[in-house]
Amino acid sequence: GIQVEQSPPDLILQEGANSTLRCNFSDSVNNLQWFHQNPWGQLINLFYIPSGTKQNGRLSATTVATERYSLLYISSSQTTDSGVYFCAVGGTGGSYIPTFGRGTSLIVHP
Amino acid sequence: EPEVTQTPSHQVTQMGQEVILRCVPISNHLYFYWYRQILGQKVEFLVSFYNNEISEKSEIFDDQFSVERPDGSNFTLKIRSTKLEDSAMYFCASSDAGRADTQYFGPGTRLTVL
Repeated sequence: GIQVEQSPPDLILQEGANSTLRCNFSDSVNNLQWFHQNPWGQLINLFYIPSGTKQNGRLSATTVATERYSLLYISSSQTTDSGVYFCAVGGTGGSYIPTFGRGTSLIVHP
Repeated sequence: EPEVTQTPSHQVTQMGQEVILRCVPISNHLYFYWYRQILGQKVEFLVSFYNNEISEKSEIFDDQFSVERPDGSNFTLKIRSTKLEDSAMYFCASSDAGRADTQYFGPGTRLTVL
């Protein structure tokens, strides 16, 4: 099956710092989503971005499908950004089912 | 804003017992999913459901698992005879007909098997 690798696995920031999270995948995909899992375990859909660039407030994401990677940018980080960020890709062989990466664990200190 | 809801939030059961996890997807969505996340690990797909039947399932979704849409609003996951290794967070998700790739997740049910 498709392999999804996320980096870095762990990230510690001071409030106000910027960061870039990366997701590499091993096959062509038709869908890619970024999720934030907050400290209470809830999964929040951040972006559906199989290609191109999207922005939502302090977050933005870019997917370069031809090179099989996606980037999630967090600017001016806040303590509420803490949690785990998952990339999930799918759409190979006609399946819409996403395969999740292992995530990037982010801690933002005040 | 519409959201996916799940009950209970936490379920404790004895090994070998049957459990039913319940989900209410977003009302106009037609695709439904179950995922699980063992503590500290990544989210894993279990099954997808559309038009009252399973459309895809993973290797994890063996004969111990079943899903059902008993009425117009609920979507359930049943584990017939729980094992210790079934302890995990179980997430329900749904997506609408026009955007089957964007899935909205419920808050999860934490299942603890003793």
